Amino acid sequence: GNSVTQMEGPVTLSEEAFLTINCTYTATGYPSLFWYVQYPGEGLQLLLKATKADDKGSNKGFEATYRKETTSFHLEKGSVQVSDSAVYFCALYNFNKFYFGSGTKLNVKP
Amino acid sequence: NAGVTQTPKFQVLKTGQSMTLQCAQDMNHEYMSWYRQDPGMGLRLIHYSVGAGITDQGEVPNGYNVSRSTTEDFPLRLLSAAPSQTSVYFCASSYRWEPPRETQYFGPGTRLLVL
Repeated sequence: GNSVTQMEGPVTLSEEAFLTINCTYTATGYPSLFWYVQYPGEGLQLLLKATKADDKGSNKGFEATYRKETTSFHLEKGSVQVSDSAVYFCALYNFNKFYFGSGTKLNVKP
Repeated sequence: NAGVTQTPKFQVLKTGQSMTLQCAQDMNHEYMSWYRQDPGMGLRLIHYSVGAGITDQGEVPNGYNVSRSTTEDFPLRLLSAAPSQTSVYFCASSYRWEPPRETQYFGPGTRLLVL
């Protein structure tokens, strides 16, 4: 089947710290992979995506690389800001359906 | 464009009542879907549609019905509400054939409380 597992939160960092949020997946075929971000009281927004193995998605300083050999899509950012505080969801798309991880809450302190 | 709109924003129901959550998009998207978001469980797909007149089940379809008579609208019906359906519901849409076709746009959500 298809599923996504991501690290539990919350993750608390100081401003300018390095961020890694782990995401691994199980899927048949060749899924596409995504990171979405959700700010309080809002719907999800696409942060970045990768549609095939070895692709790197990037946006707003965030990056993630589609690693088929380790079935992973870890989210990284070199220097987080207070404004990055949100819940981050890893997701995969396969055969017309999306599957989401449980979300990781990030708190960034000034 | 208004994007993806959902109504109502918040609703309280009694067990056994029925209601319809509305979702509309003005981007001419073929693909539309409904999710529920529960604490610690992320988003789970309820139903989806790849075009007018075509719907299919997601992970958690029981207790919900959908129809897609137009490209713009994709209502979600709760036939007989249960406390287990207390959740936040999100509607989403995307182009089916846009490269990359899997980019989804989410509505602001409907918070449902079933007593």
